[in-house]
Amino acid sequence: GQNIDQPTEMTATEGAIVQINCTYQTSGFNGLFWYQQHAGEAPTFLSYNVLDGLEEKGRFSSFLSRSKGYSYLLLKELQMKDSASYLCALKAAGNKLTFGGGTRVLVKP
Amino acid sequence: EAGVVQSPRYKIIEKKQPVAFWCNPISGHNTLYWYLQNLGQGPELLIRYENEEAVDDSQLPKDRFSAERLKGVDSTLKIQPAELGDSAVYLCASSLDRLNEQFFGPGTRLTVL
Repeated sequence: GQNIDQPTEMTATEGAIVQINCTYQTSGFNGLFWYQQHAGEAPTFLSYNVLDGLEEKGRFSSFLSRSKGYSYLLLKELQMKDSASYLCALKAAGNKLTFGGGTRVLVKP
Repeated sequence: EAGVVQSPRYKIIEKKQPVAFWCNPISGHNTLYWYLQNLGQGPELLIRYENEEAVDDSQLPKDRFSAERLKGVDSTLKIQPAELGDSAVYLCASSLDRLNEQFFGPGTRLTVL
C-alpha cells in the first residue's frame, strides 16, 4: 500500500515563497503529481515528477527524491489567487493514483 | 475543448433515498475514474474504467454503490440507499489512457440528511 503525509495548513504573505513538503512510503513508484484545488472546484494538474530532481514551471517548481520518499512543491512570488489546497498524489504499481490529504495554503496581504 | 462535465453540481436527499450522478469525460479519453472526496481530505478512488470495462473497483462499496459506463463514454454512479456518511463530493476524472494525466470535473456535492 501507500502512505502519504503532507502538512494540513500553511500561511504565507503575498509575494513570499512557500514550500509544501510531501513524504511517502510505497511498494511501487510510477511518478508523483501535484494538484491545486480551489474551494468547491476540481483539482487541476500542476506538475509531475518521475525522476529525481527539480521541475520548474513558471512560479511553481516541484522536487523529487525517490531514495528519500520525499517531494516538495515550491510556490514563488505568492499571489492571493494561490490560496488553495495543494494535493500530493502518488502513482504506484498499476498506475493507481493515491492522494494525500492536501495542504491548505492561505495567502495573506 | 470542453472539460469533464458532471451533473448535478449539488444534490440534497434524505437518508435511504437513491441518488445518481452523471459524468461526461473529455472526448477521446478512454479511461474514466470516480473519486470520493470528504471535506479536508484528498480524493479516494472508487472505480476506474478502461472503455466500458471496470478494471479497478476494489474501493467501491458494492452493497450500496453501483456504476456503469455502457458505451465507453458517459458514466453513471448510483447510491441506493444513501446513508448519512455518504455526504461528500463525488469527482469524476478522465485520461487518454491509464498512463496519462487525469483531468477532473467540478464534482457533485452530495448532502444526505
